[in-house]
Amino acid sequence: GAGVSQSPSNKVTEKGKDVELRCDPISGHTALYWYRQSLGQGLEFLIYFQGNSAPDKSGLPSDRFSAERTGGSVSTLTIQRTQQEDSAVYLCASSLVRDSNYEQYFGPGTRLTVT
Amino acid sequence: GQQVMQIPQYQHVQEGEDFTTYCNSSTTLSNIQWYKQRPGGHPVFLIQLVKSGEVKKQKRLTFQFGEAKKNSSLHITATQTTDVGTYFCAGPTVAGAGSYQLTFGKGTKLSVIP
Repeated sequence: GAGVSQSPSNKVTEKGKDVELRCDPISGHTALYWYRQSLGQGLEFLIYFQGNSAPDKSGLPSDRFSAERTGGSVSTLTIQRTQQEDSAVYLCASSLVRDSNYEQYFGPGTRLTVT
Repeated sequence: GQQVMQIPQYQHVQEGEDFTTYCNSSTTLSNIQWYKQRPGGHPVFLIQLVKSGEVKKQKRLTFQFGEAKKNSSLHITATQTTDVGTYFCAGPTVAGAGSYQLTFGKGTKLSVIP
């Protein structure tokens, strides 16, 4: 079946521009997560959605970052006025929350380069 | 705050040697998950352990959950070049009821020398 998809796969933008990153989770997965991974580093948690609501926004690095999820499905991560330190791979994951099983399925990521 | 620590950060082994990565949590975990990320790829779920002292095997990979449910290990027997990648452990984040987040360790990057 279809996995988590993300678009675009690569995005090069100029410093100061806004960008939108999209995530299509696995159908039926109620939980959706955004992470950021800098080169050779671990996973930095950004935000988590349960349905359309975001119980935890604590990982968003600054108020330039925002995310929404509509229809319990597609999510968009928006970065305003991009800075060079925003350059990283942005990973989306989804999870079918069922009892104590909520393993995460990751998309291929969006590689963002801010020049 | 809750921490999940992994050691070592890097491991270089000769092909055919064994490899072990260790994961330690600052809090008791209801379960622990392991993921593998190949170079240039994204993390892929490997396994979940739930019971105290649980041991699970996947071919050459052996996963163990500690008796106190605060630590875990992944052991690979006779490493192959296909084992190259970063191995992450993750435990449920201590948060409000109904939270389904994971706290990831920083990962152990495995290199295999042919």
